[in-house]
Amino acid sequence: DVKVTQSSRYLVKRTGEKVFLECVQDMDHENMFWYRQDPGLGLRLIYFSYDVKMKEKGDIPEGYSVSREKKERFSLILESASTNQTSMYLCASSFRGQNYGYTFGSGTRLTVV
Amino acid sequence: QKEVEQNSGPLSVPEGAIASLNCTYSDRGSQSFFWYRQYSGKSPELIMFIYSNGDKEDGRFTAQLNKASQYVSLLIRDSQPSDSATYLCAVSGYSTLTFGKGTMLLVSP
Repeated sequence: DVKVTQSSRYLVKRTGEKVFLECVQDMDHENMFWYRQDPGLGLRLIYFSYDVKMKEKGDIPEGYSVSREKKERFSLILESASTNQTSMYLCASSFRGQNYGYTFGSGTRLTVV
Repeated sequence: QKEVEQNSGPLSVPEGAIASLNCTYSDRGSQSFFWYRQYSGKSPELIMFIYSNGDKEDGRFTAQLNKASQYVSLLIRDSQPSDSATYLCAVSGYSTLTFGKGTMLLVSP
């Protein structure tokens, strides 16, 4: 069964901590994405990557960075966590091209206290 | 700014009825259209995609696309309580999908 795996289901961090969210896919997808999902705001794209070591800003990149050193792994980094970054974080991957939908991971619910 | 609009709902239908979920989009250049189902507390799951004008059927689900009207819909026949979820419409752009905020569907027994 093809998978997008996120390292943690629930995470609690303190304000100011550096936070790493990991995502691994086993489908040989070129594209990988990080979204956050908040009630009433829907899915908002943070960053995406279409190739190893490549990254593109999404709609809300401020306060986040990403790393893609290997094709199967895409990491989201919160440089200094703040309470307004409390959210559900969803990783997704897809093949390159407009005709392909995304496969989502199970999500990480991050709480910053 | 590309936009995808959905009625937030909830859309309430009785078990066995047809549920009709609608979506409009702003980018005329969009080529591909997707429907995702998201159960509460879970991640979105792809259930249908459509590229061409007209209807596409898969079991109890039918996706309908009208590019001239920039409108895409999802019909769920013989709705079941297990269909109760939020349905997200997604539209392709140059490199990413743009998602609507979703319509909550409630199917009552």
